[in-house]
Order: sequence, then structure tokens, then C-alpha cells
Amino acid sequence: QQPVQSPQAVILREGEDAVINCSSSKALYSVHWYRQKHGEAPVFLMILLKGGEQKGHEKISASFNEKKQQSSLYLTASQLSYSGTYFCGTGAKDTGRRALTFGSGTRLQVQP
Amino acid sequence: DTGVSQDPRHKITKRGQNVTFRCDPISEHNRLYWYRQTLGQGPEFLTYFQNEAQLEKSRLLSDRFSAERPKGSFSTLEIQRTEQGDSAMYLCASSLAEGGGEQFFGPGTRLTVL
Repeated sequence: QQPVQSPQAVILREGEDAVINCSSSKALYSVHWYRQKHGEAPVFLMILLKGGEQKGHEKISASFNEKKQQSSLYLTASQLSYSGTYFCGTGAKDTGRRALTFGSGTRLQVQP
Repeated sequence: DTGVSQDPRHKITKRGQNVTFRCDPISEHNRLYWYRQTLGQGPEFLTYFQNEAQLEKSRLLSDRFSAERPKGSFSTLEIQRTEQGDSAMYLCASSLAEGGGEQFFGPGTRLTVL
């Protein structure tokens, strides 16, 4: 079961903030966030392993609510370089699998 | 520091032909994954290895697909009797088994089946 990402697309002006959500119907042990630019490979942003964990990476941070099986990615003071498609990849608890199940992505466009 | 590399970057083939892709992971990474990505979708898991052992295969992986990692280093993905529906970007990723398991992707091989 693929995690559900929302919104599907968002357009920002430089300096604005955005939140991207990732929700799973399965119990999770990890959430991974990636950004992919057109024609390129996904680039790893961060991984969250514990319920309630929040991590930061420059002006990009994320949280993981294990009970709700949800994660959110926060982009603050967006820059043009943040444009791309953001994917969450989830690792499920039931099988202990290490391979990830990805959402369909959130397309983010930052305009000047 | 070299990342994950894949070869070839692009492959155009005719329906019914066999194709083989290669992935070289980050050198100290013992886990290697294959994913497939189609336009507008996230990567879709195909299979993964820990060292030379293939530990999991997606149910979506038909018998026409086979993957190997003979010495626990590079891996190959072969598609036999290609179909137009096989057209996609094939991504390889690698990670350490220890720690959080962050996966780092290669640039991908774009397959077009005519």
C-alpha cells in the first residue's frame, strides 16, 4: 500500500513556507524523504526512525508521528533550488523489509 | 568519494529483445536495491540484496526479470523478452545494513522499448 502524499502540487514564491504530508495505512518503522529534479535521480534529504522524531537539514525539517503513521516535511523560507518533486518513502514494520514504498510525490515550484 | 553509478544511462531496444543493466553501489554499502520509476510516479521497489543474497523480490517482478549480485559488489538486472510496458527509469540504490538504512540512488537507466 502506497503512502499518500498531500498536496499533489504547490507553487510558492521565494521566501514562503510549505508543508508536505505523507500518510500510511501501515505501521511504520521509518520514513525517508527525497527530492527529485526533472531527469535526475532522487536525492536523499533525511530519514526519521522514531516516533515523534524531528530532524532538520538547513531550512528543511521533518517530523514523524508513529501513532498516526504520518510524516510531514517542512520547507521554510523557500529558495528557487527547492523546486522539484518530493517523495516520501516508507519502511513497514510488519515485514521488517528494508525496501521502501514511495508515494506519488508532491511537485513543488518556487517562483522568484 | 564516488556515489552509485549505473550503466548504461539510456537504452533503446525493440520489443522482444533482452537487456541488461549494471549498478555499482557505494563501495562500503552492503545493501543494494533496484527500483523502477515511470513518469509522474515514485520509485517502485523491484528487489534487494544484502551482500550477494537476494533477500526480497516484489510480487510485481515477473519471471522475465532477474537480478544478480554475484560477489556482493556490483549488480545486474536483466529483462528478457522486453515489452513496451517495461519502458521506465530503472534506479539502483545502496545503503548500509547498519544504522538508519539511508538509501542513496544512482542516476538511473532509462529504458525505451519500441
